[in-house]
Amino acid sequence: GQQLNQSPQSMFIQEGEDVSMNCTSSSIFNTWLWYKQEPGEGPVLLIALYKAGELTSNGRLTAQFGITRKDSFLNISASIPSDVGIYFCAGLYNQGGKLIFGQGTELSVKP
Amino acid sequence: GAGVSQSPRYKVAKRGQDVALRCDPISGHVSLFWYQQALGQGPEFLTYFQNEAQLDKSGLPSDRFFAERPEGSVSTLKIQRTQQEDSAVYLCASSLGSNFNQPQHFGDGTRLSIL
Repeated sequence: GQQLNQSPQSMFIQEGEDVSMNCTSSSIFNTWLWYKQEPGEGPVLLIALYKAGELTSNGRLTAQFGITRKDSFLNISASIPSDVGIYFCAGLYNQGGKLIFGQGTELSVKP
Repeated sequence: GAGVSQSPRYKVAKRGQDVALRCDPISGHVSLFWYQQALGQGPEFLTYFQNEAQLDKSGLPSDRFFAERPEGSVSTLKIQRTQQEDSAVYLCASSLGSNFNQPQHFGDGTRLSIL
């Protein structure tokens, strides 16, 4: 099925480093969401973006909704070991409400 | 609890058997979604309910898949005559209203293994 293009696929970083990941699509979305998923659990919502150009923060996380409405990025500052997990971007189609997910970015943080 | 609850957490079935997966959404949430997540992939949309009405079932892979939400709260995803390619994690999500900008909150999923 259709998925967004998310990169990088995986990241191995040192504790304290900043992280950046992004998502692109050939389709326009009116809402972008970022989720984190840990093993054996469902995705947990981190940030929701509703307007083109919007920049939103949640603690050490910052995400932006691209001006073209076809992309979004997520930054994590000063990473810590509990940031480990898989991060998914998702675009929301207003018609039907279904989410289209990226392939995920697996983050590993070395203490 | 306050979150989306799914049961069972794990299900093993032999090929050809029927299975039923249950989802209890967050209390008061109008919208309910089912997704399928293959290993190493992002979730993929299966179907969507607004209250008891199934408004979109475009993601269901075949007519072996059937979902219902008869009273507008608990939902069941049924898979008939299971096949090995049905092995995946099945995630349920709910959102507060019918406004599509409402964020979806996910349960921990049911991991289905077909032998």
